[in-house]
Amino acid sequence: NAGVTQTPKFQVLKTGQSMTLQCAQDMNHEYMSWYRQDPGMGLRLIHYSVGAGITDQGEVPNGYNVSRSTTEDFPLRLLSAAPSQTSVYFCASSPGQGRYEQYFGPGTRLTVT
Amino acid sequence: LAKTTQPISMDSYEGQEVNITCSHNNIATNDYITWYQQFPSQGPRFIIQGYKTKVTNEVASLFIPADRKSSTLSLPRVSLSDTAVYYCLVGYSNYQLIWGAGTKLIIKP
Repeated sequence: NAGVTQTPKFQVLKTGQSMTLQCAQDMNHEYMSWYRQDPGMGLRLIHYSVGAGITDQGEVPNGYNVSRSTTEDFPLRLLSAAPSQTSVYFCASSPGQGRYEQYFGPGTRLTVT
Repeated sequence: LAKTTQPISMDSYEGQEVNITCSHNNIATNDYITWYQQFPSQGPRFIIQGYKTKVTNEVASLFIPADRKSSTLSLPRVSLSDTAVYYCLVGYSNYQLIWGAGTKLIIKP
């Protein structure tokens, strides 16, 4: 199993540009989440999904959209990038059905200029 | 308002046992406690999870007292490679996830 994969690893955007961060998992996990981690800080939940077709907002959802059309994929869209969105983005999945441990991807380092 | 609090940093020495405590209020019976380890430039890695009393796996133990308002991650016989940031996470039944701010653990030779 590849586990949780994220692309790209690095990205530089100009203010106002849009882009999609990709996340995929091959473990047939029910739950998937997106986090951002600013330098020297902890994790903040952006959006999460408890299954295909179901998404909900986390702590810091503004400026981001998600969709979950399949169990495997959970892309994160930045609608109009702002410098405040400069961060490292982590995608995570967890099995569900009473098991809540999360498996994280390697992260995408995003810089908005 | 749910909150998870842990020490900002800790130091220890190789071969020692390290205990990191996390305080979490408003925790209910079905809410779970999880600990993660994070190295620089990597995603967090799951260490251990529990609901009550004591849980042990091959790398750590998790102690949760009867009132469940705190939990303690115990790392036996640490080595230099255990230097990392350790996060406490409380998962509530409505899928609300409250992360601690992380404890930076430095292991000295």
